[in-house]
Amino acid sequence: GNSVTQMEGPVTLSEEAFLTINCTYTATGYPSLFWYVQYPGEGLQLLLKATKADDKGSNKGFEATYRKETTSFHLEKGSVQVSDSAVYFCALKLNTGNQFYFGTGTSLTVIP
Amino acid sequence: DAGITQSPRYKITETGRQVTLMCHQTWSHSYMFWYRQDLGHGLRLIYYSAAADITDKGEVPDGYVVSRSKTENFPLTLESATRSQTSVYFCASSLQGGTYEQYFGPGTRLTVT
Repeated sequence: GNSVTQMEGPVTLSEEAFLTINCTYTATGYPSLFWYVQYPGEGLQLLLKATKADDKGSNKGFEATYRKETTSFHLEKGSVQVSDSAVYFCALKLNTGNQFYFGTGTSLTVIP
Repeated sequence: DAGITQSPRYKITETGRQVTLMCHQTWSHSYMFWYRQDLGHGLRLIYYSAAADITDKGEVPDGYVVSRSKTENFPLTLESATRSQTSVYFCASSLQGGTYEQYFGPGTRLTVT
């Protein structure tokens, strides 16, 4: 089947620390991969995406590289800020159908 | 206001009651989606709609009914609410299907007692 596995949280970091949130996937075809972010009390927002192997998605200092050989799409940021505190969801979408498959989410808290 | 809105934002209902969650978008997006968010499960797709009068089941459709008579509205009805349907419900829309970005509403927190 199709699924996404994320590292469990919560994750707590100091401001300016390096962030990695691991994401691996299982898919029956060739998926596109996404990171969504959910700020407190809000809906999910697209953070970045990659549609084929070796593509790198980037936005707001975050980046993730689509690694087909390791079926991974890890999210990284070199220096986190307090405003990055949120829940991060990894997701995949196959080229057929309309369903996104979301991971369970990873809560990040950045402390000053 | 432009965007995607959901109402109510919070709802408490009793087991066995019918409840309808509303979703409205102003972008004329073709696709609309309903998800539920539960701890340990992430988001799971309940139903989606590719256009007015076209709906299809997602991963967890049992106990839910949807309709889409107008492009901008996509209500979700729980015909006889159960405690297992206590969750946060998110509506989303996208211009087209495929890998087009989905835009999410702020969510409705539903508690079934």
